[in-house]
Amino acid sequence: DQQVKQNSPSLSVQEGRISILNCDYTNSMFDYFLWYKKYPAEGPTFLISISSIKDKNEDGRFTVFLNKSAKHLSLHIVPSQPGDSAVYFCAASIRAAGNKLTFGGGTRVLVKP
Amino acid sequence: EPEVTQTPSHQVTQMGQEVILRCVPISNHLYFYWYRQILGQKVEFLVSFYNNEISEKSEIFDDQFSVERPDGSNFTLKIRSTKLEDSAMYFCASRTSGPVSNQPQHFGDGTRLSIL
Repeated sequence: DQQVKQNSPSLSVQEGRISILNCDYTNSMFDYFLWYKKYPAEGPTFLISISSIKDKNEDGRFTVFLNKSAKHLSLHIVPSQPGDSAVYFCAASIRAAGNKLTFGGGTRVLVKP
Repeated sequence: EPEVTQTPSHQVTQMGQEVILRCVPISNHLYFYWYRQILGQKVEFLVSFYNNEISEKSEIFDDQFSVERPDGSNFTLKIRSTKLEDSAMYFCASRTSGPVSNQPQHFGDGTRLSIL
């Protein structure tokens, strides 16, 4: 299932700098997008979401951008902190179809002090 | 903060045996899900459950799988006759509101199922 793709398996960034994570999707029916963070031996933790009627949503250090024409979304973390080191998953859903999530493969982020 | 809890954290079972994975969703949530992640692969949807019935299931969710909400708090996933390829991390998730919603799903910490 390649409907949601995260092309960068890993990302290394210096503490205090910006982390940019990217996600592409192919299904134009997706209308709700989410980012989750996952630590080892834990479940995915919800970070931030955006519906398809918006192009930007911000929550503290986290901002999600949606480019519907390009079928692309990104997560910006500013400033990055060592505690942000985790695997980040992009997910997409169709709200009218019960919101089942289709996940990307994840990007492992390492924030170096 | 309320959370989704899953038990056990690790289940080891012989191939062909039945296994039941248990989940307690967040108490005011209405929609429940099971996902799984085979080692090295993506998290994939198994089934969603709303209003005491399955609302959608994936092609993975065949006749060997079933879900139940036996009481007001538990949500279970049963695999009737386990296969080696059922070895995976199984995540339960829940969310509030009805079928069409901007509310995110909240996940438990998962049950690691190992089939021998």
